Amino acid sequence: DGGITQSPKYLFRKEGQNVTLSCEQNLNHDAMYWYRQDPGQGLRLIYYSQIVNDFQKGDIAEGYSVSREKKESFPLTVTSAQKNPTAFYLCASIPRGPGGELFFGEGSRLTVL
Amino acid sequence: GQNIDQPTEMTATEGAIVQINCTYQTSGFNGLFWYQQHAGEAPTFLSYNVLDGLEEKGRFSSFLSRSKGYSYLLLKELQMKDSASYLCAVRAPDTGGFKTIFGAGTRLFVKA
Repeated sequence: DGGITQSPKYLFRKEGQNVTLSCEQNLNHDAMYWYRQDPGQGLRLIYYSQIVNDFQKGDIAEGYSVSREKKESFPLTVTSAQKNPTAFYLCASIPRGPGGELFFGEGSRLTVL
Repeated sequence: GQNIDQPTEMTATEGAIVQINCTYQTSGFNGLFWYQQHAGEAPTFLSYNVLDGLEEKGRFSSFLSRSKGYSYLLLKELQMKDSASYLCAVRAPDTGGFKTIFGAGTRLFVKA
């Protein structure tokens, strides 16, 4: 079945380490998104990509980096420059264009010790 | 700027009807979405409005007024499993394409 796969589901890291979260989709969607969610909060946009080899900063891009080398893949790196990285990270995709709902992965919960 | 407001929490009784309001101010508009999110899980899509009016889907209905920047989600015949957060989201154009902006969510508690 088509869908979005995020890994790992849970991740623990020490402060100061870079971490890469994987997001793979087989929905043939052009656009992919990374959101961050803190307890009791809504989703905040980190980065998004409309096509391969192109991506845009969202509202809270500082301390994060992404790449889009393949249509199916949009990995997110949480760098040591991110001041408060502990959060729930959600990857989503959508066909390119103005409309349509987002399809979400199951999320990755990152805890920095 | 971009802003989406919805109440933080609501409580309702099993079997009743509840209305969750959402107001938005965005630069451009390509549709309003409602998602349901249970604790620790990803959001799931509930409804989509791009034109003014009411969209009904089973026990859930969603209304949109673009001129007022206003939407509501109506849940009928509430069940305990409806206890969740409900996220209002707007899709809008951006310099790099289109993005979906979320409100902070409304946590709904359904009591027996």
